Amino acid sequence: EVQLVESGGGLVKPGGSLRLSCAASGFTFSNAWMSWVRQAPGKGLEWVGRIKSKTDGGTTDYAAPVKGRFTISRDDSKNTLYLQMNSLKTEDTAVYYCTTEVGAPWEGYYFDYWGQGTLVTVSS
Amino acid sequence: SYVLTQPPSVSVAPGKTARITCGGNNIGSKSVHWYQQKPGQAPVLVIYYDSDRPSGIPERFSGSNSGNTATLTISRVEAGDEADYYCQVWDSSSDHPEVFGGGTKLTVL
Repeated sequence: EVQLVESGGGLVKPGGSLRLSCAASGFTFSNAWMSWVRQAPGKGLEWVGRIKSKTDGGTTDYAAPVKGRFTISRDDSKNTLYLQMNSLKTEDTAVYYCTTEVGAPWEGYYFDYWGQGTLVTVSS
Repeated sequence: SYVLTQPPSVSVAPGKTARITCGGNNIGSKSVHWYQQKPGQAPVLVIYYDSDRPSGIPERFSGSNSGNTATLTISRVEAGDEADYYCQVWDSSSDHPEVFGGGTKLTVL
């Protein structure tokens, strides 16, 4: 059974930093593309960014609102995904979900498994 | 970047058919995926590649995509189908490739 368990959320002041973790099990993590998707309170889903598998280059892509402030990384030896968030703003307040991402360039990509999410609150 | 437009809300009586639309410029040329999110829970994939269902998703859920509109159809609606539904596409030409619609709240009357 696929399991994704996020942790590390909490309250942080504007300008501060936080690192989220996502522990994965039930699949071959090293082969998976992984993404972070967030949801502000009462709002819709917003893609944050992704990291490809190392065999596909291990590269990262980010949404414009977080580019330059957030960094996604992975430790395949620990089956863990990370989201380092710096220079946090009040508008980054959201539940952050870890997801697996599957698909192909000629077909498009989608998110097939989701964690339960972790809440990040940015407030003074 | 690519924009997906969903109606904020759709209402349907139990046992009837609900149709939730997702509009986008020439969306029929893209693959559309749908997620169901119940209050306090993580989203769940219900349709991928326009009309494929993951294992465990009832056959009552189906999808179609043509022209400028993709549609999620839920037949024989049940009270347990009440949730928010989001469409999503991958826009290869954008630097923000993963796009979600704004979501539709399905209310079962």
